[in-house]
Amino acid sequence: GQQLNQSPQSMFIQEGEDVSMNCTSSSIFNTWLWYKQDPGEGPVLLIALYKAGELTSNGRLTAQFGITRKDSFLNISASIPSDVGIYFCAGRMEGNEKLTFGTGTRLTIIP
Amino acid sequence: NAGVTQTPKFQVLKTGQSMTLQCAQDMNHEYMSWYRQDPGMGLRLIHYSVGAGITDQGEVPNGYNVSRSTTEDFPLRLLSAAPSQTSVYFCASSYSPHEQYFGPGTRLTVT
Repeated sequence: GQQLNQSPQSMFIQEGEDVSMNCTSSSIFNTWLWYKQDPGEGPVLLIALYKAGELTSNGRLTAQFGITRKDSFLNISASIPSDVGIYFCAGRMEGNEKLTFGTGTRLTIIP
Repeated sequence: NAGVTQTPKFQVLKTGQSMTLQCAQDMNHEYMSWYRQDPGMGLRLIHYSVGAGITDQGEVPNGYNVSRSTTEDFPLRLLSAAPSQTSVYFCASSYSPHEQYFGPGTRLTVT
């Protein structure tokens, strides 16, 4: 099935640092979503993107829909301890009723 | 609104046993889906439904059955549990396949 390549797989950063992660596909997507999952919880939607080139912010989080429609990026500025968790990208192809998820980026903040 | 609720939260089964994982939502969402989450593999779609009476297979449907008799409920049945079905199961709902809201998950162990 369709695969989404998410990188990096894990990140170890210090509090206050900025974070960047990305998601790439071999196919064109018309929707990109970013989710965060805390330990023992279900994923929570952070940002939804619907148009190529779109740049959307949610507080310290900013996500972009790549102009090729085959990638998306998530940036977190000035990280804080509650940013710890796993970040998943998800995408949907035109005419497809299903979402495809990436394998996640695990973010850890080093004291 | 309670959002998406899942029961049970934890379950241990013996190989060959059957059981039903419950999922309910009170947001009047048409679209509901079941995912399983395994370490390093992200979220994989098992079955989904675009409305009452309509279901379809996802990426990994074997060994699972679903039905959608009401808008609110979308139970997942394991017909004959196998150790390979040890996983965390998430139910999600939304108005469309885009912005899905996830439940808290059911952690299933098959021995």
